[in-house]
Amino acid sequence: DTAVSQTPKYLVTQMGNDKSIKCEQNLGHDTMYWYKQDSKKFLKIMFSYNNKELIINETVPNRFSPKSPDKAHLNLHINSLELGDSAVYFCASTAGRRQETQYFGPGTRLLVL
Amino acid sequence: GEDVEQSLFLSVREGDSSVINCTYTDSSSTYLYWYKQEPGAGLQLLTYIFSNMDMKQDQRLTVLLNKKDKHLSLRIADTQTGDSAIYFCAESIHGGSQGNLIFGKGTKLSVKP
Repeated sequence: DTAVSQTPKYLVTQMGNDKSIKCEQNLGHDTMYWYKQDSKKFLKIMFSYNNKELIINETVPNRFSPKSPDKAHLNLHINSLELGDSAVYFCASTAGRRQETQYFGPGTRLLVL
Repeated sequence: GEDVEQSLFLSVREGDSSVINCTYTDSSSTYLYWYKQEPGAGLQLLTYIFSNMDMKQDQRLTVLLNKKDKHLSLRIADTQTGDSAIYFCAESIHGGSQGNLIFGKGTKLSVKP
């Protein structure tokens, strides 16, 4: 019944590793987002996809690469993890890219050691 | 650029009313939102208001919007200990095809018994 789900919930890894976070929504929404929340709780948009097409790409290092295999999924792959990547990553979705109400996933807590 | 400002902390006694304030800069915002984040949890959409409204009430929650001053507030009546959380104000940005949210830094509400 979960509307927007993310896996894993927690991720602890070493610097330099490559990791992926997955997001799935069962709401039939067309647009999905990735946000990053840092240790001070500041939330910033990273990416947005509409029907598998990238429409927002904020100033994010190239090490971050979103992938949308279909409109219900938006995965985030991170190469060469750095200490500063430690944060909570939230996935969200809306019905369309001009639709406003975003539904958030539970978050993935990434800790890079 | 777009910016959303909130005070960082608010402390109230159980049973009192809480008022959390927010100011935003983008006058073209269509919707404004309040999200709640409990410790260790994801973002829960509490309520939202369309920019042509000046008030919205939903049970214990009252949202007031002063579009002229770009000021948004959330009033929680009869605040309970379960209301302790971080409350994020967010505005929707419609620059071209974008539909992402710009979040404030969050107001941490502490409710004392």
